[in-house]
Amino acid sequence: LAKTTQPISMDSYEGQEVNITCSHNNIATNDYITWYQQFPSQGPRFIIQGYKTKVTNEVASLFIPADRKSSTLSLPRVSLSDTAVYYCLVGPNFGNEKLTFGTGTRLTIIP
Amino acid sequence: KAGVTQTPRYLIKTRGQQVTLSCSPISGHRSVSWYQQTPGQGLQFLFEYFSETQRNKGNFPGRFSGRQFSNSRSEMNVSTLELGDSALYLCASSLDVGVGTDTQYFGPGTRLTVL
Repeated sequence: LAKTTQPISMDSYEGQEVNITCSHNNIATNDYITWYQQFPSQGPRFIIQGYKTKVTNEVASLFIPADRKSSTLSLPRVSLSDTAVYYCLVGPNFGNEKLTFGTGTRLTIIP
Repeated sequence: KAGVTQTPRYLIKTRGQQVTLSCSPISGHRSVSWYQQTPGQGLQFLFEYFSETQRNKGNFPGRFSGRQFSNSRSEMNVSTLELGDSALYLCASSLDVGVGTDTQYFGPGTRLTVL
């Protein structure tokens, strides 16, 4: 599984757009990029997943450059409830590959 | 569609006891994975079950075991509990019927405290 690197922590003010970048230099051809959000004492919640270019859903956007060696999770107009740990994972989206979670990015939203 | 459910949500046991945790996957999901999360070690993979067979296993001692039933529901068991087993135990399920269907969805977890 490809190793990922993301900032340990980030702070942002309410109402701003937050971008969290993840590096995955050794991503493989059949790897997908998945982001999870986790609040304390809760299970990780799936946010978004993509393979290339841009993916958008009701909560976030995921930008993936052509070389796929990095990806950026974009959270529009964050609120206090977006304070959480965000994990970037890279791996094939089929079969029996287990998920490997890194340390994640602890995002703190400031009022 | 209902999400992944785990029971119980909280559990307190003493050293040496054993415990069984239960997980009901999202309807139609065939794969169930278990994870342990602690402040010191983060989120670590325990094992994965698919069609009632253990398909993948992490680096945990044999005290940790699991099984999956024909309806995809899964249980994990920890025998001879140690203080270090105190953790949030998470279950995740996925459809796993082909490419693009292995996105894992997590339950709320079971908080196990060993005294």
